[in-house]
Formats: sequence, C-alpha cells, structure tokens
Amino acid sequence: DTGVSQDPRHKITKRGQNVTFRCDPISEHNRLYWYRQTLGQGPEFLTYFQNEAQLEKSRLLSDRFSAERPKGSFSTLEIQRTEQGDSAMYLCASSPGAASSYEQYFGPGTRLTVT
Amino acid sequence: AQSVSQHNHHVILSEAASLELGCNYSYGGTVNLFWYVQYPGQHLQLLLKYFSGDPLVKGIKGFEAEFIKSKFSFNLRKPSVQWSDTAEYFCAVNVPSASKIIFGSGTRLSIRP
Repeated sequence: DTGVSQDPRHKITKRGQNVTFRCDPISEHNRLYWYRQTLGQGPEFLTYFQNEAQLEKSRLLSDRFSAERPKGSFSTLEIQRTEQGDSAMYLCASSPGAASSYEQYFGPGTRLTVT
Repeated sequence: AQSVSQHNHHVILSEAASLELGCNYSYGGTVNLFWYVQYPGQHLQLLLKYFSGDPLVKGIKGFEAEFIKSKFSFNLRKPSVQWSDTAEYFCAVNVPSASKIIFGSGTRLSIRP
C-alpha cells in the first residue's frame, strides 16, 4: 500500500499524559498536513509542512501541541498534558509540491480517547 | 476567512433515487472546490475537484458537481444512488494562495436497500 499511513490507529490515554502520533506520507510528497476531526464535524486544519519546514499553524494548535518533520519524510504530532477535549480523530494528509498540490491524500487517522 | 456550509446533516434515500447535496462557501475570490467521501471504516477519499474551466465536473462512481460562482455553490449530484453510496460526504474549499483545506461539517447519506 503506497498511501498515507498513520500509527497508531487508536490511542487511549489518561488525562495529563503525553501522546505522540506518527504519519508517513506518500513517497515523494513534500507537503504534509495535520487535521483534527471531532464527531459530527469536518476535519479542521492544524498545521502543515513543506519538506521539513513548518509553514503554517492554526490557532487550534495550542502550546501543548508540537509537530515535527525532521527529515522531510515522516512527521510526528505530540500532545503534552492531554485533556479530555483533545479526544478526536487526528488525520494526516500529503500532497505533491506541484500544481496539483491542492489535492490532498488522507491517511486513516489516529483516534485519540482521553479518559 | 473562508467557510463552508453543508445544510443537510443527514439524508436518507432509497436505492435508485436521485441525490443532490448542497454546499455553499464564503469567499469572494478564486477558489478550488472539492468533495471528499468517507465510507464506513475507511479514510477520506477525493470524489471530485474543481480548479478551473468547465463548471460541471465529473468524479468517480457516477458523481458530478456543478460550480455556480454567482451562488457560491458547489452541489454534488448523482442521478441514481446505490446502497454502496452510504457514506459521509464533505464539501471543502481551498484558496489557491493557501495550502489548507476548509471542510464543511459533512452530510451523512444513508441508502435504504
């Protein structure tokens, strides 16, 4: 499968714990995006990378959230001191850095439950 | 700021019925428009997209959408739905100068066999 992959698919954690998610984009896609989706809503943009550079961050991304893409390939999203409001599906997407870059390919998501 | 409105939260149809899902966006300039679909247990997939040119775009599985600039709309249509079309459908907009996609809240489509 050459699509976007995410790990883990499900994560249950206790409030106050730190969690880290990983996203592997489609090979050679140099843009990588993180979105969050809560029940009954569409995905909401969190942040995006062009290669290893983080170029935009949403106001939704509080200081407890940090994302990295150190080598311009896979990316990690870390949430520190999780809160119940962080429970959501975290989606990763990637796109090629060309004219078609506006078409984003989504991974299966990581479902986070904070108890 | 751009926003997308999908007024139908849940649509229930019988097989072979015609489908039209509404989508309106708010942005006065040039936009790219998308419909994504999420089948039960699967990830978001692109159904169709509009960047420029013919405002009537055709996507996969017999779906089409029409961009009406004067109405800021991009409604999704299918002449005859099948049970396998049961899914959640998201309309989305992207401003060419930006990278993020703004999604609507989605429409859940249930098809009665």
